[in-house]
Amino acid sequence: AQKVTQAQTEISVVEKEDVTLDCVYETRDTTYYLFWYKQPPSGELVFLIRRNSFDEQNEISGRYSWNFQKSTSSFNFTITASQVVDSAVYFCALSDFSNDYKLSFGAGTTVTVRA
Amino acid sequence: DADVTQTPRNRITKTGKRIMLECSQTKGHDRMYWYRQDPGLGLRLIYYSFDVKDINKGEISDGYSVSRQAQAKFSLSLESAIPNQTALYFCATEGTDTQYFGPGTRLTVL
Repeated sequence: AQKVTQAQTEISVVEKEDVTLDCVYETRDTTYYLFWYKQPPSGELVFLIRRNSFDEQNEISGRYSWNFQKSTSSFNFTITASQVVDSAVYFCALSDFSNDYKLSFGAGTTVTVRA
Repeated sequence: DADVTQTPRNRITKTGKRIMLECSQTKGHDRMYWYRQDPGLGLRLIYYSFDVKDINKGEISDGYSVSRQAQAKFSLSLESAIPNQTALYFCATEGTDTQYFGPGTRLTVL
């Protein structure tokens, strides 16, 4: 069963626009972790953030922000004032107790930022 | 130096050939993983190891085998490669906060 759903396959924006990536997860555990990774065109996977299920505070890091809402099982990611360097595939992932805390990845969202 | 290295980085092979992908880490982590990435499917777990004596199948282990030679080394083998194993393969280790991924191996099976 799909545990992490990233409904947006591709998003294309013009530089300086904001872009929000949706992530919906499914788990019956009370303790779990949510992640976002970035995969630029060079192919490596870059860790962006980890959130545990007991911390619903939103987080901001520079132009990146994350909105965690347990009520809707969502962990959305917003890039503010996008730049060409933000062009990448972004993956959301879930780690939970019932899966031995292994990562379950969403299918990814490809973001293209046009100059 | 990179914490997680993979060799080779690129490989083209023919159907039926045996292929080994190697992964080494310098982070001292016990847990290691092999994933494959296909367009539109994200990363899927092939095998994982929680320590040197522990090997487990992931969701797509058919056609693959692994060897954990030491804490630092975890190899993935394709005993008889087939075209639908063409993919990007990632090795990862697990620390306290996240998994650390290698740079990936792009494998093409003709």
